[in-house]
Amino acid sequence: DSGVTQTPKHLITATGQRVTLRCSPRSGDLSVYWYQQSLDQGLQFLIQYYNGEERAKGNILERFSAQQFPDLHSELNLSSLELGDSALYFCASSGGLAGGLYNEQFFGPGTRLTVL
Amino acid sequence: QKEVEQDPGPLSVPEGAIVSLNCTYSNSAFQYFMWYRQYSRKGPELLMYTYSSGNKEDGRFTAQVDKSSKYISLFIRDSQPSDSATYLCAMSGAGGTSYGKLTFGQGTILTVHP
Repeated sequence: DSGVTQTPKHLITATGQRVTLRCSPRSGDLSVYWYQQSLDQGLQFLIQYYNGEERAKGNILERFSAQQFPDLHSELNLSSLELGDSALYFCASSGGLAGGLYNEQFFGPGTRLTVL
Repeated sequence: QKEVEQDPGPLSVPEGAIVSLNCTYSNSAFQYFMWYRQYSRKGPELLMYTYSSGNKEDGRFTAQVDKSSKYISLFIRDSQPSDSATYLCAMSGAGGTSYGKLTFGQGTILTVHP
């Protein structure tokens, strides 16, 4: 158990809908990362937050947004869902107090999103 | 062409074998190199973490980085059926917002049979 929790475990929804995925980082970790894992694209970095502020962006679609709250939990919002958004979404956390520590990321169990 | 290339396998070996997993990369800015293990329907688990070139050993696992060749390896000695999983290499740059932006390989599916 990595100490990172994600809810829900599974989500089934329809095209055009909006969903929110939730992540609680390990105790004491200030950085939260979101990744998308699909069969064709593999595991791809979406976005990083550090202590409530957006720090880095990857290949995140404009229909997707995220935020990190004062209690350090994070939410990933996916809107106008398309069939191609079906994937596993992982949250990871790290301490991030020194540069290299950002790379020691601990992953949650993921949320499996199915768009029908 | 992807920044990180990893042979997806699958790789099947007998118990006790030495396993060699590899990744090549094209971005010379990568400074940090990681190996993750992912069991089916689980999140990736950090196995090894190295900075720049060199070797690092942890129990049955050895990670090697050759930056001149842009090539990294993970060796598993005395492989066990419990090692059966997908192994993902990951890399990131150094400085500014490069820290933490991991770029992953496609993953190699490994099966160790008794």
